[in-house]
Parts: sequence; C-alpha cells; structure tokens
Amino acid sequence: QVQVVESGGGLVKPGGSLRLSCAASGFTFSDYDMSWIRQAPGKGVEWISDIDTRSTFTCYADSVKGRFTISRDNAKNSLYLQMDSLRAEDTAVYYCVTGGTYYYDTWGPGTLVTVSS
Amino acid sequence: DIVMTQSPDSLAVSLGERATINCKSSQSVLYSSNNKNALAWYQQKPGQPPKLLIYWASTRESGVPDRFSGSGSGTDFTLTISSLQAEDVAVYYCQHYHGPPPSFGGGTKVEIK
Repeated sequence: QVQVVESGGGLVKPGGSLRLSCAASGFTFSDYDMSWIRQAPGKGVEWISDIDTRSTFTCYADSVKGRFTISRDNAKNSLYLQMDSLRAEDTAVYYCVTGGTYYYDTWGPGTLVTVSS
Repeated sequence: DIVMTQSPDSLAVSLGERATINCKSSQSVLYSSNNKNALAWYQQKPGQPPKLLIYWASTRESGVPDRFSGSGSGTDFTLTISSLQAEDVAVYYCQHYHGPPPSFGGGTKVEIK
C-alpha cells in the first residue's frame, strides 16, 4: 500500500544539524511532488518545504529558509530534509507528506526532533 | 501570505448530533484555472498524523464516511459532521493550497458532550 516512513529524528543541541529521511513505497515516487510538514508538541500544523518531481522547484517557509534544505533521490524513492543551525523552536514531529503544491493525502507516522542543550 | 482562522477552538457535541466547524481565509482561495476552491480539511487523532478528509472544499477523500461534508467558497468554509460518532473525537484542521506558502488553521477540537 501507499506508505511513507520518516527516520533520522533525535536529540540535538542548539546550533547543531540533523538530516531526516523519508522512504516511500507502494506508489511511483517520481510522479509526486513531496513536502515536509511539522508539528510542535501540543501545537498546530506548520508547512515547512515543498519539492517538485524533478527537484527543479523548491520552496520553504520563512521560519526555516536558509537553514533547511529539501532534496530527493527518485532512484532510491527517498526524500530528505537537511536541517542546520537548529533552534529550540524547531522542536517538533516532522512529517513526510505526498502532495507538494496541493492537498496532502499520504502522511508518514512522523519523526521527533528535539533541540535542547 | 494567506492566514487561515478556524472557529470555534473547541466544541462538545452529543452523539448523533451535528458538529459544525468554520474556517475563514484572509483572501480568496478560488483557483481561477478550474474555478475550484483550494481548501482541504484534515482530522487528527491523538498520537496520529493528520488524515485528509476533504479537498477542493467539498470532495470527500476515498473511504471517508459520508457524514463528513465540506462547503463554502471564496473565503468562508465549513466542515460538517452530520451525526457525530465516538470515533470522530479529534482535532480538525483546514488548509489552503492557493499557492505557496500553504497554511493551516489553528485547529478545532471536537469532543463528546
């Protein structure tokens, strides 16, 4: 079945870096725009970044622009999020999501990123 | 950027009764290319990711019970649960996708009265 699963979350110090991965299965990954969305503990949902099918177009929320980089490897059916200069306010569950430009129809279970000293 | 505002923040409804959630966008989310409203609704239960319920303001996702319906146009939208069931206890979010950046409403928590 259609599935995406995130990995790579964990505890990191402020100013540190982390790389999240998302493994896709059950669909033709290269046909789908993809996104990262996050949710801080007990808070609402925040869109972070989009990437199109061929990696020719990316966009970012102002809150992460210049610090986070989205990428994908269609040969490996994988999506990535490189997170640098992490801040306490980046603490959240990060979701890999299919949909890109439109609504988000497949969500992974999420991976928790905690930024704390 | 378009700001999405949901109301109420929470509501308690008796089993079998109607629940109505409102979502207002700071500007129109009508797509001129297809004359559809770029508005989606999600349901999130504790410990789970959000689940897509409705897209293009009123199209139910496959497998979503028909007690869930979406309506509205332009800047004002509504999610209605016609007969609340125990399994509908959740937080509901609206989201616009009328160009980047997309954004979500603050959420509405639905409980049983």
